[in-house]
Amino acid sequence: NAGVTQTPKFQVLKTGQSMTLQCAQDMNHNSMYWYRQDPGMGLRLIYYSASEGTTDKGEVPNGYNVSRLNKREFSLRLESAAPSQTSVYFCASSEDQLLAKNIQYFGAGTRLSVL
Amino acid sequence: EDQVTQSPEALRLQEGESSSLNCSYTVSGLRGLFWYRQDPGKGPEFLFTLYSAGEEKEKERLKATLTKKESFLHITAPKPEDSATYLCAVRSVGGSYIPTFGRGTSLIVHP
Repeated sequence: NAGVTQTPKFQVLKTGQSMTLQCAQDMNHNSMYWYRQDPGMGLRLIYYSASEGTTDKGEVPNGYNVSRLNKREFSLRLESAAPSQTSVYFCASSEDQLLAKNIQYFGAGTRLSVL
Repeated sequence: EDQVTQSPEALRLQEGESSSLNCSYTVSGLRGLFWYRQDPGKGPEFLFTLYSAGEEKEKERLKATLTKKESFLHITAPKPEDSATYLCAVRSVGGSYIPTFGRGTSLIVHP
């Protein structure tokens, strides 16, 4: 049972380059999330998708776009990478964000460096 | 705006030395408080959910408790394998229902 799978695990970009972080879950969850984690800052929500066909901004959406491709997949795109986007990115999923017991399941993360 | 403050930022214990981690929160109305464990290089892993003051949950050497303003994660006779970062998150009755995370407590247990 894979759970939440993120690719790639590591990436180095030059300023201005673009890339897409991929995320897939096999738990038939409705809701999916993208977070970034920086030292001393904790997990900050970038975008989320409550259900297939919907996406909404989180706390730090600037410089990012997302696509909920289908129920399983939720991608995060950096159109023009900046050094401030150097971070560890986590994808998560949950059965449904409206449920009282909204347990989130996280992927292993993508470590991104922008030079 | 929901706020979550975890203390201490870092904690070093000797094996067998019991202690507690604190999570203080400010929300308009609590819909759930979550504890996660995060090992180095990995994503957070769910431990507990607490919903109302007075509630307690236990798992092996960990016990989570909840009051109206804070939660404690008590670690009894810790072992080196308990070393990890422990994250607290709160979910309020309004807004998107998505949890707000604290910055975590990094726990190191020395043998």
